[in-house]
Amino acid sequence: SAVISQKPSRDICQRGTSLTIQCQVDSQVTMMFWYRQQPGQSLTLIATANQGSEATYESGFVIDKFPISRPNLTFSTLTVSNMSPEDSSIYLCSVEKDRGPGNNEQFFGPGTRLTVL
Amino acid sequence: AQSVAQPEDQVNVAEGNPLTVKCTYSVSGNPYLFWYVQYPNRGLQFLLKYITGDNLVKGSYGFEAEFNKSQTSFHLKKPSALVSDSALYFCAVRDRRNQGGKLIFGQGTELSVKP
Repeated sequence: SAVISQKPSRDICQRGTSLTIQCQVDSQVTMMFWYRQQPGQSLTLIATANQGSEATYESGFVIDKFPISRPNLTFSTLTVSNMSPEDSSIYLCSVEKDRGPGNNEQFFGPGTRLTVL
Repeated sequence: AQSVAQPEDQVNVAEGNPLTVKCTYSVSGNPYLFWYVQYPNRGLQFLLKYITGDNLVKGSYGFEAEFNKSQTSFHLKKPSALVSDSALYFCAVRDRRNQGGKLIFGQGTELSVKP
């Protein structure tokens, strides 16, 4: 498995400000992912962050709004920029452990609960 | 396009009774299938997965799931529910051709087990 921590665990922010969420893993991983879980909703992938390359964003998400850094194999950050109340969500970091062809598993961090006023 | 459906927003079960949380999927080819559980104010925990082989998969905490290719289903089951099983359950799928990455999640099913 993988032990994943996120900071902060929760925050309340003002409209128009930005928040950077940190994700730390206890082992080196190639693939890291950022998901959003809006209130009462399922998880939606924001982007895939691989070390040494730019993040790959899913449809509906753009780098200007959600810039991502991946400086090494154990750490990533997601910034939620110019926030609005619609950005109020839980943001989850996940990593994938390679157990062989087709047998990769994804593990999730505890999430960051963001409320935008 | 890949998709996952969990037709029930909520499932209510009495403690000691069997439980089923339903999941159907739509993906081209053979999928990888997963179940995750989310307890209040906590992240997702992996329960079990289907990759290949036996259609009946056993996972954590006494849960199991059966892959049914003809019905494109992957229902989660447990023979005897516990109050501590009360949580939010997510089914997820990944295209077998995608060796790494994106999981498509269902909308989640809230399981409530009453004493």
